[in-house]
Amino acid sequence: GENVEQHPSTLSVQEGDSAVIKCTYSDSASNYFPWYKQELGKGPQLIIDIRSNVGEKKDQRIAVTLNKTAKHFSLHITETQPEDSAVYFCAAAGYSTLTFGKGTMLLVSP
Amino acid sequence: NAGVTQTPKFQVLKTGQSMTLQCAQDMNHNSMYWYRQDPGMGLRLIYYSASEGTTDKGEVPNGYNVSRLNKREFSLRLESAAPSQTSVYFCASPTGENTEAFFGQGTRLTVV
Repeated sequence: GENVEQHPSTLSVQEGDSAVIKCTYSDSASNYFPWYKQELGKGPQLIIDIRSNVGEKKDQRIAVTLNKTAKHFSLHITETQPEDSAVYFCAAAGYSTLTFGKGTMLLVSP
Repeated sequence: NAGVTQTPKFQVLKTGQSMTLQCAQDMNHNSMYWYRQDPGMGLRLIYYSASEGTTDKGEVPNGYNVSRLNKREFSLRLESAAPSQTSVYFCASPTGENTEAFFGQGTRLTVV
């Protein structure tokens, strides 16, 4: 089955800095790569996703890049704000269900 | 429009007790999923139901059973709870195949 590795497990940045979270996947058949944000005490919520026919996607301060050859994808957050502090999960899916990474706790200090 | 609703939000069980976690979605989605979330382990799939009347095992199904009661409801049952089942449980429902999944607020279960 699919295996998704996510790094780092924790990331501390100053407000205004950029943050990058990286994931690798094992199944070359995977073609859908979402990113979820989980705030304390809540369920995960989709923030951006990318499909395998696209190399990059942006939505305001958030961007995701995908390298199919290397089987890795990354989340980029620019101009971080304290409200970006949360746990972020990457995931991968192909012909089966979503497989999640172990998560990254992002802390943005004012 | 509530999305995905889970009950209860919190529960404490003694070892060996049984309980059922309830999940309902009002989005008319076909698929529903149960995950467990443990520190440092991410979200692991317990069982899923691709459509009404079907259920399949996920990554960590041992100790659990599920019922897809109808299109709206998907319940998770612990027949004989063990401390290793202490976790936060999330129900989720994707719009379709490889699309956004909507999560419930979670059930925090402690087995003592």
